[in-house]
Amino acid sequence: EDQVTQSPEALRLQEGESSSLNCSYTVSGLRGLFWYRQDPGKGPEFLFTLYSAGEEKEKERLKATLTKKESFLHITAPKPEDSATYLCAVQGTSGTYKYIFGTGTRLKVLA
Amino acid sequence: DTAVSQTPKYLVTQMGNDKSIKCEQNLGHDTMYWYKQDSKKFLKIMFSYNNKELIINETVPNRFSPKSPDKAHLNLHINSLELGDSAVYFCASSLRTGGLDTQYFGPGTRLTVL
Repeated sequence: EDQVTQSPEALRLQEGESSSLNCSYTVSGLRGLFWYRQDPGKGPEFLFTLYSAGEEKEKERLKATLTKKESFLHITAPKPEDSATYLCAVQGTSGTYKYIFGTGTRLKVLA
Repeated sequence: DTAVSQTPKYLVTQMGNDKSIKCEQNLGHDTMYWYKQDSKKFLKIMFSYNNKELIINETVPNRFSPKSPDKAHLNLHINSLELGDSAVYFCASSLRTGGLDTQYFGPGTRLTVL
């Protein structure tokens, strides 16, 4: 069964303190791995899609990487506005192509 | 120019009532979804329609019935509401045929059953 585990559950960083969020997955054939950001009271906002091991995507202070077993979301020199819950989802190649989400990492960046 | 919109944003109702949530997308997508996010923020797929055809129907009580009148709209009707139905419901859409199938989410509907 397809599965996604995110760690840590929560992370507090000082402004400027770089770190990484982890998304470990098991899937029978990867169609795509997706990163979303969710602010309180809002819907998930799309950040990145990764399709194959070795792929990397960047956007401002965020960089997502992918291996055959996990993905990392690296946050470089974070700012308070980066505080949010970051969600990872995988889409397998079999069946209905549904997304399986992890439980997210709650990131708090302190000024 | 909202891409995926949902109404209402908040819904407070009594147990046993019937309610509907509406979703519309203006992205030209062919696939729409309903998700439930529980108090622990876990997002779980409930239903999906592709070109008005039901393609995903997870283990959801049959009190929940989705309806897709056209590709741009997906509604969720819930009969005989129960306390455990309290959650945030998200609509999403994607372009599955000829697209990257990236899902874009609406702002959510917070349902509270008293």
